[in-house]
Amino acid sequence: IVLTQSPATLSLSPGERATLSCRASQSVSRFLAWYQQKPGQAPRLVIYDASDRATGIPARFSGSGSGTVFTLTISSLEPEDFAVYYCQQRYNWPLTFGGGTKVEMK
Amino acid sequence: EVQLLESGGGLVQPGGSLRLSCATSGINFHNYATIWVRQAPGKGLEWVSAISANGERTFYADSVQGRFTISRDTSKSTVFLQMISLRAEDTALYYCGKDPDYYDTNGYYGLYWGLGSLVTVSS
Repeated sequence: IVLTQSPATLSLSPGERATLSCRASQSVSRFLAWYQQKPGQAPRLVIYDASDRATGIPARFSGSGSGTVFTLTISSLEPEDFAVYYCQQRYNWPLTFGGGTKVEMK
Repeated sequence: EVQLLESGGGLVQPGGSLRLSCATSGINFHNYATIWVRQAPGKGLEWVSAISANGERTFYADSVQGRFTISRDTSKSTVFLQMISLRAEDTALYYCGKDPDYYDTNGYYGLYWGLGSLVTVSS
């Protein structure tokens, strides 16, 4: 299953809303996660099963979608949210990741 | 506190071998599946291999099938990734991740992660 993320780069200012997209080449039901990765750090699980926030993730992060179209929304960007975000499906094998969206400060 | 510690990376010549380890503490080893994910320099995340919580099921990406073997030692709460016939394109930071086993036919996410172990394949 190929996951296509868009846009590749999102240039926004703190306080703005970020909307990231992940499209699957076939249905993954709701078995989709989002990760945040900062330079020099391991990935951090943000959203799992399309819309469930992982422990410790602020409420400004939300996920939606099912089937082939998914969205990660950050309602109001904080300085610590600027990072690369990846989607990943666990619907079937092989596990696959999207190519990532970099959220950079404008 | 959950801790995953990868080790065993290094510089190896093409065709060589390495064994990575992922030592776990702070969680019940028997309840968690393990995934290995790698990241080539400046690139995105690529899933490599996985083992179920009970060790009965193993999975591999096509790119490493037949060259990499995942295994575990429950007495040491450690998962291993044996890598042989290494190629330049295997050069990457290798992360291990843990996820509760869902005991279904689907795969895993990465709830907990280590800091990674760098593998460089070069002559």
